[in-house]
Amino acid sequence: DAKTTQPNSMESNEEEPVHLPCNHSTISGTDYIHWYRQLPSQGPEYVIHGLTSNVNNRMASLAIAEDRKSSTLILHRATLRDAAVYYCIPISNFGNEKLTFGTGTRLTIIP
Amino acid sequence: GAVVSQHPSWVICKSGTSVKIECRSLDFQATTMFWYRQFPKQSLMLMATSNEGSKATYEQGVEKDKFLINHASLTLSTLTVTSAHPEDSSFYICSARDLGGSGANVLTFGAGSRLTVL
Repeated sequence: DAKTTQPNSMESNEEEPVHLPCNHSTISGTDYIHWYRQLPSQGPEYVIHGLTSNVNNRMASLAIAEDRKSSTLILHRATLRDAAVYYCIPISNFGNEKLTFGTGTRLTIIP
Repeated sequence: GAVVSQHPSWVICKSGTSVKIECRSLDFQATTMFWYRQFPKQSLMLMATSNEGSKATYEQGVEKDKFLINHASLTLSTLTVTSAHPEDSSFYICSARDLGGSGANVLTFGAGSRLTVL
């Protein structure tokens, strides 16, 4: 399993951009980089994923380093509803490997 | 999009009783489902990987006779906590992947089941 490293916690002011980093230096060539977030007392929800190119969707943007050993989730304008624990996890597009999560980053939004 | 329905969302039971948690994929077939447990302020801990029609693969330290997993169909996996004790109180979460879709193995999670054992 690819190991991920994320800061335990981050804070951001409301309506400002947030950059959440993730290191996944042992990622394999076929692994996509996925990001999920978990609001309090809920199951995690999908945020975004990518392979090599940067990706954008309505929730966030994902910037992937050229060597794919790290990535950054970007929330362009954080709101209070974005307060959650954010997890990055490499997931292969093949097979059924076990999917283990790291500690994630607890994002606090300051009003 | 893909939806995973998990029930019950919360359950309180007496020590020694068994509790079953259901996880259904509503609009896709899930050949593989994952079961996690989560303690307060901690990350998700993978308990087992459930494969349709075969025995689940349990993680080290997870008792298979204590946490019975059945994945009898492509849309339903169940986790039964047998002879529950207070230390089994936790937040249990299932997830599944829609391998047939174009979502590149995007995980869809259930809403979670909070188990409290008295």
